[in-house]
Amino acid sequence: NAGVMQNPRHLVRRRGQEARLRCSPMKGHSHVYWYRQLPEEGLKFMVYLQKENIIDESGMPKERFSAEFPKEGPSILRIQQVVRGDSAAYFCASSLTGVADTQYFGPGTRLTVL
Amino acid sequence: GESVGLHLPTLSVQEGDNSIINCAYSNSASDYFIWYKQESGKGPQFIIDIRSNMDKRQGQRVTVLLNKTVKHLSLQIAATQPGDSAVYFCAEKANTNAGKSTFGDGTTLTVKP
Repeated sequence: NAGVMQNPRHLVRRRGQEARLRCSPMKGHSHVYWYRQLPEEGLKFMVYLQKENIIDESGMPKERFSAEFPKEGPSILRIQQVVRGDSAAYFCASSLTGVADTQYFGPGTRLTVL
Repeated sequence: GESVGLHLPTLSVQEGDNSIINCAYSNSASDYFIWYKQESGKGPQFIIDIRSNMDKRQGQRVTVLLNKTVKHLSLQIAATQPGDSAVYFCAEKANTNAGKSTFGDGTTLTVKP
């Protein structure tokens, strides 16, 4: 039973390029969460999605960031026109249900913006 | 706003000793608490959780204590081993914020042989 999968594990982009981060939840999980982690800090919530729906995007920056979780395929976190401050580890988690349920994390994507 | 904080950013213990990692939270509506372990270069790994209707829960070598009166959470690791060296995060959820977990900044546990 595979866990949460994320790819790529490492992503290097130049300023102004686009970054696409992918997350496949655990089998049977339909709730996906994205978190960002800066060095030496805890994880900061970004967005919570169910299939085809954004449930809570209160942690997403208003510009350049978007997320989706289509009916088929992985969840995608998209960052347009990346800046150096976007460099961080981005973690995806999934859960079976959304309310008060354990979230299982993927290995993360480490984004470096040159 | 909500915040979750750990009392000490680093903790060093001798192999075989017990470790206690503390966490304070501010959201009175929090009703579900989780401890995660994060090793270098990896994602957070679930350790143990506790709901607000309990004050203690035990796992294998780990115990979580919850004091809702003072909004305090602790993780106790018995007979700490070198493999326990990692960053430990507490996180909380509230039914009013379904899905969203708020994480503290982490305590780095170092186990000395």
